[in-house]
Amino acid sequence: QVQLQQSGPGLVKPSQTLSLTCAISGDSVSNNNVAWNWIRQSPSRGLEWLGRTYRRSNDYALSLKSRIAINPDTSKNQFSLQLNSVTPEDTAVYYCARGTWWTFDIWGQGTMVTVSS
Amino acid sequence: QSALTQPPSASGSPGQSVTISCTGTSSDVGGYNYVSWHQQHPGKAPKLMIYEVSKRPSGVPDRFSGAKSGNTASLTVSGLQAEDEADYFCSSYVGSTNWVFGGGTKLTVL
Repeated sequence: QVQLQQSGPGLVKPSQTLSLTCAISGDSVSNNNVAWNWIRQSPSRGLEWLGRTYRRSNDYALSLKSRIAINPDTSKNQFSLQLNSVTPEDTAVYYCARGTWWTFDIWGQGTMVTVSS
Repeated sequence: QSALTQPPSASGSPGQSVTISCTGTSSDVGGYNYVSWHQQHPGKAPKLMIYEVSKRPSGVPDRFSGAKSGNTASLTVSGLQAEDEADYFCSSYVGSTNWVFGGGTKLTVL
C-alpha cells in the first residue's frame, strides 16, 4: 500500500529556511494521476493547504507564494517542501499528503516544526 | 480561525449514531461536491473516510456516511464503536487550486 514517510528538522531559527522531505513508497512522484501536497496544522491557524506538485507544475497557497517551493525528486521518489524566511507563525505540524478525488487520500505521519531562536 | 465551522465536540454511546456538521459558504461547501472527511487519532496521520460528499474509500466501514445540504455537509457515524473515538475534520475544494478545512470535532464514545 502507499505510504509517505516524512523527515526533516523539528527546530528552525527565525528568518531561516524550513526544509522537509516526504519519501513515497507504493506510488511514484511521477504519477500523473495524483498530486503531492503539503498541509500544516497549528492551534492558531487550524489546517492550511500549502501547495502541491502535480504533472511537473506547482500550485501554492496565495498567502505563501513568495516564500514556498515544493519540488519532486524522481531519483529518490520523494518530494520536498522549502519555506523561506520563517517566523514563529510558521510553527505547526507539517503533513505531506497524496491528492486524488479532489481531496487527500494518504497522509504522512506529520512533523512538528517549531520556529524559535 | 478555520474556514469551515465544525462543533468542537460530539459524543454518543456504543451502538448509537452521531452526526457531525461542517458549515461553510456558497464559495466552498455549497459550491462544490468535493467535501471530504478525515479521521485522526491522537498522534496519528489523518485517514480519509469520505470523499466527494458521500463516497467511501475502499476499506472504510459503511457505518460512516456523508451528506450535504446547501452550505452544510455532515458526517454520520452509525453503530458507534470504541475505535471511532477520534478527531474528525472536513475539507472542501474551493476552486483555483485551493482547499479549506474545518477546525475539527472531537468524537467521544461514552
